[in-house]
Amino acid sequence: GQSLEQPSEVTAVEGAIVQINCTYQTSGFYGLSWYQQHDGGAPTFLSYNALDGLEETGRFSSFLSRSDSYGYLLLQELQMKDSASYFCAVRDPNGGATNKLIFGTGTLLAVQP
Amino acid sequence: EPEVTQTPSHQVTQMGQEVILRCVPISNHLYFYWYRQILGQKVEFLVSFYNNEISEKSEIFDDQFSVERPDGSNFTLKIRSTKLEDSAMYFCASSAPDQDRNTIYFGEGSWLTVV
Repeated sequence: GQSLEQPSEVTAVEGAIVQINCTYQTSGFYGLSWYQQHDGGAPTFLSYNALDGLEETGRFSSFLSRSDSYGYLLLQELQMKDSASYFCAVRDPNGGATNKLIFGTGTLLAVQP
Repeated sequence: EPEVTQTPSHQVTQMGQEVILRCVPISNHLYFYWYRQILGQKVEFLVSFYNNEISEKSEIFDDQFSVERPDGSNFTLKIRSTKLEDSAMYFCASSAPDQDRNTIYFGEGSWLTVV
């Protein structure tokens, strides 16, 4: 089976940098994605890593180490609006033609003033 | 920007009743999904749909669930006889073919409360 583990909660202050970790166990691997979810709303895509290394998109960066089955999302210059749940996800290698995603347990980020 | 739209946003139903949740995926997408999220928990896969048939379904998606794409634009999830444990947020999602297959786009969800 597939499993992805994340810390349940992280707290940080405005302007700070925070790292949200994700460790995964999967029978195959097509890459690690990150999604943001505000207050139970639509999960929205943030980033995707297929290969090892760092991908940067503005204030958000995502890192992947396939040999360690580990990735993280790095949020810089935190803003209050970044308070949300963050999920890592992998594409199920047995998902056939579609992009069935398996989501991690989710990390609730609380940004404090 | 194109988006996935879902109706209703919230539905309350009595146990044993049938519910239909509706979705309009992004127009050029070919892969469609239903996920659910019980309050405070992670997003769970229910079913994927491609080429007018179910591609894969999870163990949650039992005989009480069905999906349909009746008219080329709508994508529906039907729960025939709802149970209390079906109370959750149901997300429809879609993705584009090939190069963008690793990104799926979610709707705002339909919150189902079974009483």
